[in-house]
Amino acid sequence: EIVLTQSPGTLSLSPGERATLSCRASQSVSSTYLAWYQQKTGQAPRLLIYGASSRATGIPDRFSGSGSGTDFTLTISRLEPEDFAVYYCQQYGSSPLFTFGGGTKVEIK
Amino acid sequence: EVQLVESGGDLVQPGGSLRLSCAASGFTFNTYSMIWVRHAPGKGLEWISYISNTSNTISYADSVKGRFTISRDNAKNSLYLQMNSLRVEDTAVYYCVRFRAVREVGYYMDGWGKGTTVTVSS
Repeated sequence: EIVLTQSPGTLSLSPGERATLSCRASQSVSSTYLAWYQQKTGQAPRLLIYGASSRATGIPDRFSGSGSGTDFTLTISRLEPEDFAVYYCQQYGSSPLFTFGGGTKVEIK
Repeated sequence: EVQLVESGGDLVQPGGSLRLSCAASGFTFNTYSMIWVRHAPGKGLEWISYISNTSNTISYADSVKGRFTISRDNAKNSLYLQMNSLRVEDTAVYYCVRFRAVREVGYYMDGWGKGTTVTVSS
């Protein structure tokens, strides 16, 4: 079973700062199978990144994804007020069929 | 535009049953696999079940296997989740999700409904 561990659990930053979120897999994950989502309080999650590094339609270019194997990163280059939310990484393909990380909350400092 | 509208959430006693529905529009439903994902209060997202576009392949998380049944009616553009033997820990917002699989590009959840709330409590 693949486990995704996200760190840190909470990231306290100010608007305009850079956010770096980590997602570590317990076993190697194909980059094709790694995605990132944003969830704001009371809302459904929204796809940000698929294939580890491809931005979904309509996602601003301040969001970027990178990594391979067991280590993946979501970077927000300059935080905007609307970016404060919880972010989840997710993998597909290994038992269980889908796994989410525990999430990183990006909060206003 | 992808639209997914869940319904059927309610307050139910432990041991009870519910059937969730999801009405899909804005895309060719019978060409996409679909997923149910839930979000329990104070917890992270949890994948619950998967069904391929033709219903040939179905999969469940261990936490619901044997209690929940996923199904779809492509003629009605609808996805369902029959939930039996409900437990307090099944309390969550349940999301209907479109799954997109593009070989060598990405496998991801690219459309989400607003969710329906299931509360299991006596």
